[in-house]
Amino acid sequence: GAVVSQHPSWVICKSGTSVKIECRSLDFQATTMFWYRQFPKQSLMLMATSNEGSKATYEQGVEKDKFLINHASLTLSTLTVTSAHPEDSSFYICSARPGGYGYTFGSGTRLTVV
Amino acid sequence: SQQGEEDPQALSIQEGENATMNCSYKTSINNLQWYRQNSGRGLVHLILIRSNEREKHSGRLRVTLDTSKKSSSLLITASRAADTASYFCATAEGTDKLIFGTGTRLQVFP
Repeated sequence: GAVVSQHPSWVICKSGTSVKIECRSLDFQATTMFWYRQFPKQSLMLMATSNEGSKATYEQGVEKDKFLINHASLTLSTLTVTSAHPEDSSFYICSARPGGYGYTFGSGTRLTVV
Repeated sequence: SQQGEEDPQALSIQEGENATMNCSYKTSINNLQWYRQNSGRGLVHLILIRSNEREKHSGRLRVTLDTSKKSSSLLITASRAADTASYFCATAEGTDKLIFGTGTRLQVFP
């Protein structure tokens, strides 16, 4: 079946640094990928939709300059958390839609900013 | 943005019992999906029900959909300890955006 590979699985970084999270579609092409953020014991909140070859579409309230999304190829989307702060610590998950009605999710990245 | 509410927020049951989770949503939908998430992991798609369907089964899972009430329920029969996880309903907005409900944390005790 369609697989989305996300890494790293977890990352710890210092305040003020930037962190890049990668999401790859392994056996299909994804013109669109979705990035979610999840705080502990809460639901997934859609942050942005990344579009191959064009600008990402951000949800209301999400800072586009802080969460940089790049979707340069049909199999790779990246989310960069710039100038990270402790409040950015969260679980970030990407997903794609290989076809039909189904969505496939990455395994998530737990970001801890210290 | 969040599509709607799920209840209960948390549910604890014994193995062998049935677990029922409810989901309400706000907008018109083409389909509604249920996902499972083990702690700190990605999501696994469980079942999809289309807007013209009222009930669907998959193994021990039974999903109902009432579009007049904008609600859905997920029933897990004969629960097992391995069913312990969070369960989310989700609907697609526009063409592709998947919006999740608030989730139900299910704990099944052996």
